[in-house]
Amino acid sequence: EAQVTQNPRYLITVTGKKLTVTCSQNMNHEYMSWYRQDPGLGLRQIYYSMNVEVTDKGDVPEGYKVSRKEKRNFPLILESPSPNQTSLYFCASSLSSGVGAQYFGPGTRLLVL
Amino acid sequence: GQQVMQIPQYQHVQEGEDFTTYCNSSTTLSNIQWYKQRPGGHPVFLIQLVKSGEVKKQKRLTFQFGEAKKNSSLHITATQTTDVGTYFCAGDYNFNKFYFGSGTKLNVKP
Repeated sequence: EAQVTQNPRYLITVTGKKLTVTCSQNMNHEYMSWYRQDPGLGLRQIYYSMNVEVTDKGDVPEGYKVSRKEKRNFPLILESPSPNQTSLYFCASSLSSGVGAQYFGPGTRLLVL
Repeated sequence: GQQVMQIPQYQHVQEGEDFTTYCNSSTTLSNIQWYKQRPGGHPVFLIQLVKSGEVKKQKRLTFQFGEAKKNSSLHITATQTTDVGTYFCAGDYNFNKFYFGSGTKLNVKP
C-alpha cells in the first residue's frame, strides 16, 4: 500500500531533550516536506527536500534540522526542543517538486513541557 | 514573506446549501493546490490548478484559478454531511515551497 509513515504518533518530552521524528515513504517520491499545524495558522512548511542530499528551508525552519540520506526517509530533528515547538507535525511527499499531489503522513502530535 | 490569505475561517451551512472558500495572494502563484482535512485526520489532496483562468470540476466541487494567478476558489454545490472538514489552499510560488492558507472549517447541519 502506498503510504507515508511517521513515528512516533504522539510524543511528550521536556525542554532541551533532543528528539527525532521519522518519516518514510514507499512511493519512490523525489520531493518530501515537513509541516507544522497550529490552530488558526494552517500548515506551515518547515523544511523540504527535492531529492537525496538536497534540502532547503521552508517558512519556519528555526529550531529544526533535517537530512535526506536516502530517497525514502526524511527525519525531522529537534536538537533542543522548546515549548513553542508544541504542535502537530506532518510529513508529506510528492512525485516531484511542486508538481502533483502531496501525500501526507498521519501526523505526530508533540508536546514539549 | 509570501502569504496566502483564505476566507472565511468558518462556514456553517444547512445540508443542500452551497459553500465557497476563497484564497488570495498578493503575488503571482506558479500553481495552487487544494486539500481537505477531516477532523483528527491528515490533509488529503483534492486538485492542483496551474493555468491562468483554469476551472476544474470534481462532481459537486468546482475549482477556479484567477486570470492573474493570484486568487482561487473552491465551490461545493448542494453540500452533504460528508463534506464536513477543513479545506485548505496551498500556494506555490516557484515549484518547490508551499504556503498554506489558514483553512476554512465547514460544518454541515443535516
